Amino acid sequence: KAGVTQTPRYLIKTRGQQVTLSCSPISGHRSVSWYQQTPGQGLQFLFEYFSETQRNKGNFPGRFSGRQFSNSRSEMNVSTLELGDSALYLCASSGGSQETQYFGPGTRLLVL
Amino acid sequence: QKEVEQNSGPLSVPEGAIASLNCTYSDRVSQSFFWYRQYSGKSPELIMSIYSNGDKEDGRFTAQLNKASQYVSLLIRDSQPSDSATYLCAVNWDGGFKTIFGAGTRLFVKA
Repeated sequence: KAGVTQTPRYLIKTRGQQVTLSCSPISGHRSVSWYQQTPGQGLQFLFEYFSETQRNKGNFPGRFSGRQFSNSRSEMNVSTLELGDSALYLCASSGGSQETQYFGPGTRLLVL
Repeated sequence: QKEVEQNSGPLSVPEGAIASLNCTYSDRVSQSFFWYRQYSGKSPELIMSIYSNGDKEDGRFTAQLNKASQYVSLLIRDSQPSDSATYLCAVNWDGGFKTIFGAGTRLFVKA
């Protein structure tokens, strides 16, 4: 099976812009979770989607949003970028009963 | 109190020794427990999952879970320099809807 894929892998934006990141889960997986990882804060949960519905959300401002499509692919959007949004954004998919998560390679976002 | 706590390290062990990584979690209805390994600049990869009290062994790795003490650990036997990485403990709650990660423990295995 192909693994989780994320695009783009690297991105440079300036403050105030918006960005959209994409995640394709493992075939058959219906749950997609998004995380932000920074050196100071570790891996922080953003939100989780299952069958196009957001089931859970972390403590991030409304500038961070996401959605999931009928084919389970997911996108996350960050509007009005801030310098502090520079991070590695990771997507993870799961499909088993115990919710084991498998991560994609991540998108590294740099905000200048 | 953080929901999932790990000693940030770094933990340094000589090659061939046993590395012991520990994780505690807050008192909620915890479903599943996971250990991930993350090399610098890479994404986390799953090493072990454990769901019930006791030990679970997979090759050189042993995960130990004690729900009464809210404690999960990972033992790495015969540590190799290639085991040098950050190890993340993760706990799954809320019926599987949310997974919380610890900050990770950096492990160095000296040749």
